[in-house]
Amino acid sequence: ETGVTQSPTHLIKTRGQQVTLRCSSQSGHNTVSWYQQALGQGPQFIFQYYREEENGRGNFPPRFSGLQFPNYSSELNVNALELDDSALYLCASSLVSGGLYNEQFFGPGTRLTVL
Amino acid sequence: QQQVKQSPQSLIVQKGGISIINCAYENTAFDYFPWYQQFPGKGPALLIAIRPDVSEKKEGRFTISFNKSAKQFSLHIMDSQPGDSATYFCAASMIGNFNKFYFGSGTKLNVKP
Repeated sequence: ETGVTQSPTHLIKTRGQQVTLRCSSQSGHNTVSWYQQALGQGPQFIFQYYREEENGRGNFPPRFSGLQFPNYSSELNVNALELDDSALYLCASSLVSGGLYNEQFFGPGTRLTVL
Repeated sequence: QQQVKQSPQSLIVQKGGISIINCAYENTAFDYFPWYQQFPGKGPALLIAIRPDVSEKKEGRFTISFNKSAKQFSLHIMDSQPGDSATYFCAASMIGNFNKFYFGSGTKLNVKP
């Protein structure tokens, strides 16, 4: 059983550019959540995908968007990058079945630096 | 508005001592309270979690104490070890809202040998 993986590990972009981050969920999991963790802060919920549809969103602008694919992997896209978007982006996957919650597992994150 | 407030920001404990981290929440609809441990360069990993129907949960050296009326919960690490040095996050969520977790700001624990 493989854990949650994310790519790339590190990324440097300039202000105004667009970025795509990728996440492969743990085997058997059908739900992916994305979090932004600024330096020295706790993770903040961006959104969640369940069965390929967005299922809940935090307080992030529309330039943060995502996708979930049939194999339950996911992408986070950020347009018009701003300096404050510099952070560790975490993906977490879990199995939701019959409305019952199961533990979510985090990937190691992608460190995004916006210059 | 910060949904979960965590203190202290940093903590230094001698090996063998007790580490205590506190969290407070506002939303009484929260019904799941996990603690996560994060090492540098890694994602958070679930350490221990509690539901509000119990006041305490113990797993090995880790104990969560939960006070529903005060809307507070805390993590106690007994016999703290240098390997426990990490950043700890409390979190809260509503199970019916799947995995929308609200995290505290974190506590950096340093256990000195």
